[in-house]
Amino acid sequence: GESVGLHLPTLSVQEGDNSIINCAYSNSASDYFIWYKQESGKGPQFIIDIRSNMDKRQGQRVTVLLNKTVKHLSLQIAATQPGDSAVYFCAENIPNTNAGKSTFGDGTTLTVKP
Amino acid sequence: NAGVTQTPKFQVLKTGQSMTLQCAQDMNHNSMYWYRQDPGMGLRLIYYSASEGTTDKGEVPNGYNVSRLNKREFSLRLESAAPSQTSVYFCASSQNPTGGRVLLNYGYTFGSGTRLTVV
Repeated sequence: GESVGLHLPTLSVQEGDNSIINCAYSNSASDYFIWYKQESGKGPQFIIDIRSNMDKRQGQRVTVLLNKTVKHLSLQIAATQPGDSAVYFCAENIPNTNAGKSTFGDGTTLTVKP
Repeated sequence: NAGVTQTPKFQVLKTGQSMTLQCAQDMNHNSMYWYRQDPGMGLRLIYYSASEGTTDKGEVPNGYNVSRLNKREFSLRLESAAPSQTSVYFCASSQNPTGGRVLLNYGYTFGSGTRLTVV
């Protein structure tokens, strides 16, 4: 399953499928990007990050892709599990000029169907 | 466990009352932040502290004040609560790099949040 566009707030996928969550960022000067996962009733949790001098970074079951040309970021989750159900936020920041402040997107709610 | 601790977890205030939200981190991070989270609006930065001794306004600072008490603690104060301040408040910390170094893995560590209702 895949979310598209700036404001598609929900994505529903079948357990075991791959998920793609998309994010369009706003500031061409941003040089650091982070994906967070927020489960119900909890604070956001860091998943993976990427710098602007990279176009891909892989973690455990997750991959982040960065396309600076179109200011687009995506999070790919392989073999999605019920425990992946959460709200996912992308964040951008300019760490050396803005004290590491992050600007967050509105989030995409991922629901995994068993 | 290492992390960010926020207190209280829940609070109900009457309009006009004041309160302070407490936040402490034990990761020796230099930067700390206060965000509020409202339905459909994501996370918005209220105030931040790049390092001990400094504080700066974020996107939505009106109605709030902060104190960076020491490197570990960063408190948020509502002097006269208003219903518009009903929200979930998150404190976060990070080791913000300085000197132009290119680093990874310095995203935020968030606390578990304070759910505030102003009636």
